[in-house]
Amino acid sequence: KAGVTQTPRYLIKTRGQQVTLSCSPISGHRSVSWYQQTPGQGLQFLFEYFSETQRNKGNFPGRFSGRQFSNSRSEMNVSTLELGDSALYLCASSLRQGNEKLFFGSGTQLSVL
Amino acid sequence: QQQVKQSPQSLIVQKGGISIINCAYENTAFDYFPWYQQFPGKGPALLIAIRPDVSEKKEGRFTISFNKSAKQFSLHIMDSQPGDSATYFCAASVLGYKLSFGAGTTVTVRA
Repeated sequence: KAGVTQTPRYLIKTRGQQVTLSCSPISGHRSVSWYQQTPGQGLQFLFEYFSETQRNKGNFPGRFSGRQFSNSRSEMNVSTLELGDSALYLCASSLRQGNEKLFFGSGTQLSVL
Repeated sequence: QQQVKQSPQSLIVQKGGISIINCAYENTAFDYFPWYQQFPGKGPALLIAIRPDVSEKKEGRFTISFNKSAKQFSLHIMDSQPGDSATYFCAASVLGYKLSFGAGTTVTVRA
């Protein structure tokens, strides 16, 4: 069974640009969560999607958004990029909303110059 | 504000030794406490987890000890091996929602 797939693996953007990251969950998993990982702040919850609806949201500004498609694939978007948005963005999938067993992808490393 | 405090930041242990990582939390609503292992270039992987109604859980060389009254839990890695060298994160959640992670502990096992 294929794991969680995140694309692209690496991304370099400049301040002010926007970026879209993609996540394909494990087959059969219907919930997708996004986390930001930085050396300073560690792993922080961004949001969770289930059945194409955002179910939970972390403490991030509105520049961070996401969506989920009917096939459970998810995208997250960051608009008006800031230097501090440089981070590893991790997607995790689970069978259902609130399911405790999360399976993480390898992440997208975003660098903002 | 970190809801789960983790220590130490890093530790070095000899092969065959015991690695101990500690975590503390404040939110008494937390009801699920997992530990994740992360290797460089990879996402975290669930290692072992415990609920507050159990004081200890063991899976192979990994053991979680849980002290509900002290609001603390710890991971013990017995007979540490070089392949255990990784970053370990404790975490906590309420009903499986919005995992709050500790800051991480980098474990280095010397052969």
